[in-house]
Amino acid sequence: DAKTTQPNSMESNEEEPVHLPCNHSTISGTDYIHWYRQLPSQGPEYVIHGLTSNVNNRMASLAIAEDRKSSTLILHRATLRDAAVYYCILKNFGNEKLTFGTGTRLTIIP
Amino acid sequence: GAVVSQHPSRVICKSGTSVKIECRSLDFQATTMFWYRQFPKQSLMLMATSNEGSKATYEQGVEKDKFLINHASLTLSTLTVTSAHPEDSSFYICSAGDRLSGNTIYFGEGSWLTVV
Repeated sequence: DAKTTQPNSMESNEEEPVHLPCNHSTISGTDYIHWYRQLPSQGPEYVIHGLTSNVNNRMASLAIAEDRKSSTLILHRATLRDAAVYYCILKNFGNEKLTFGTGTRLTIIP
Repeated sequence: GAVVSQHPSRVICKSGTSVKIECRSLDFQATTMFWYRQFPKQSLMLMATSNEGSKATYEQGVEKDKFLINHASLTLSTLTVTSAHPEDSSFYICSAGDRLSGNTIYFGEGSWLTVV
């Protein structure tokens, strides 16, 4: 499986935008970029995914570099409830197995 | 959206006993489910792939005789930790993919196992 690299931790002020980076230099042409987040003592929660184009949904936006070797998850206005570990995962369509890296622990400062 | 539910959410068992954790897909069918284990402050580690109607596929280093997986229907997979020991205490999480929603993967709430 192609690997991803994320910073171990990040901090952001409440109500500010947050940009969570992810590097995936060995991504293959059929890999989708998925983001999940895990709140304390809960199972991971799907956030967003994309292939080549930038994507938006009610939770976040995903900006994908033109060469697809990196991506950024954007939380437009962080709240305290967004404090979680965010995982960037490469997933081939049809493959339901997810391999988790260490993720980024996001702390929101009130 | 699709929901995956686990039961129990927390369980305490005595060392040497067995404990069963259930994983259900509530509004979709899943021929494949996955079981993960997560120790405190660590990431999720895939233990095995649960296949409906056939044997589970275990990841390297996971003892199949200790972690019994049964996937008897399209909406239910069970993980039984046999002869549990304190080192088996962990957070166990299952997942399943909803192929009708673009193959998005959904996770259960997780089950905390404490072996005393």
